[in-house]
Amino acid sequence: AQSVAQPEDQVNVAEGNPLTVKCTYSVSGNPYLFWYVQYPNRGLQFLLKYITGDNLVKGSYGFEAEFNKSQTSFHLKKPSALVSDSALYFCAVGPGGYNKLIFGAGTRLAVHP
Amino acid sequence: GAVVSQHPSWVICKSGTSVKIECRSLDFQATTMFWYRQFPKQSLMLMATSNEGSKATYEQGVEKDKFLINHASLTLSTLTVTSAHPEDSSFYICSAGETGGAADTQYFGPGTRLTVL
Repeated sequence: AQSVAQPEDQVNVAEGNPLTVKCTYSVSGNPYLFWYVQYPNRGLQFLLKYITGDNLVKGSYGFEAEFNKSQTSFHLKKPSALVSDSALYFCAVGPGGYNKLIFGAGTRLAVHP
Repeated sequence: GAVVSQHPSWVICKSGTSVKIECRSLDFQATTMFWYRQFPKQSLMLMATSNEGSKATYEQGVEKDKFLINHASLTLSTLTVTSAHPEDSSFYICSAGETGGAADTQYFGPGTRLTVL
């Protein structure tokens, strides 16, 4: 069965430190990969995506993600975390493109001053 | 660009009534829109895929007669929860697909919180 795993329910990081939110997937073929962020009682905001090309993708708000085909991973990273980055982050995979996305369970990022 | 709106942002209704939620793509045309449901502290569950001018495709386990979807134009899709019951209370989120070129991305609305009393 196709699936997306976000192994950490919560990630805690101090402001100014680098952050990583992990995502691995089990999907055949060459899926589209996405990261979205959700603030309380809000919809999802698109951060970045990988379809093809460079393995390192840069997105909104200073976030980037690295696609690793051999490890089937697409970890989200940011060099220096801000308190305002605290939110719920979802990894999503589209086996056939951008539609019919499979979402991970979400990882709550808490950035402490 | 790529803004999606939803209306209303929250709604409270009595059991047995119907509620309509609108999803609009404000600055692009979306031939495909998606409806999701999110339970507290859980991920998004795709309910259905809505294609402009045709019938929606529902995911397994989603009652099409209960969750009526209409996609009458390239910028508007509606979800009607018919004969709502307390177990239908949830956060409903729509998204619109922008295709072509560097797009091919789903952009999400702000969500609608439905509470059925």
